[in-house]
Amino acid sequence: DAMVIQNPRYQVTQFGKPVTLSCSQTLNHNVMYWYQQKSSQAPKLLFHYYDKDFNNEADTPDNFQSRRPNTSFCFLDIRSPGLGDAAMYLCATSRGQGSGAGGYTFGSGTRLTVV
Amino acid sequence: EDQVTQSPEALRLQEGESSSLNCSYTVSGLRGLFWYRQDPGKGPEFLFTLYSAGEEKEKERLKATLTKKESFLHITAPKPEDSATYLCAVQANGKLTFGQGTILTVHP
Repeated sequence: DAMVIQNPRYQVTQFGKPVTLSCSQTLNHNVMYWYQQKSSQAPKLLFHYYDKDFNNEADTPDNFQSRRPNTSFCFLDIRSPGLGDAAMYLCATSRGQGSGAGGYTFGSGTRLTVV
Repeated sequence: EDQVTQSPEALRLQEGESSSLNCSYTVSGLRGLFWYRQDPGKGPEFLFTLYSAGEEKEKERLKATLTKKESFLHITAPKPEDSATYLCAVQANGKLTFGQGTILTVHP
């Protein structure tokens, strides 16, 4: 089945130690998104790639970066994780702006713990 | 700024007790309103997309409706397996903005 896969499912990192989260998709969608979801809160958009074009949300901290080497893969880099960055990180994809049946497809998420 | 507010924050039902979840929104240029189900520790799972006021969609025990200011997710005769967080999101200005969700618990 076509899907969005995030690795790892759980990641524990030390305070200040760089960490990379991975997302891959077999849907051939041209748009990929990264969301941060803290406990009992709404998912918050960090940034997205529309094809190769990177779009950063205005309030996304500089500590968060992203790379998209090809259509299928997208990475979230956290340069110096703080305790406040502990959250579930969700990757999503869409074809164009996501209108239409199915809209956005989400991965299962990576739960990041900072110790 | 786009805003999405869901109520109630949590809802506890007995099996078979029908109810509704509310999603109110303030957005300019709505392209679509989405409902997702999210189980603990998992990503959101797509349920419905609604595009215009008056539109309704159904899937099993769930029915979503849309007006110009809000959407309702009606749950008819729920079962324990319907327990989850239900997220509403609006698509506008090139992005998807979520509400904080309603945690639904259905007791046998």
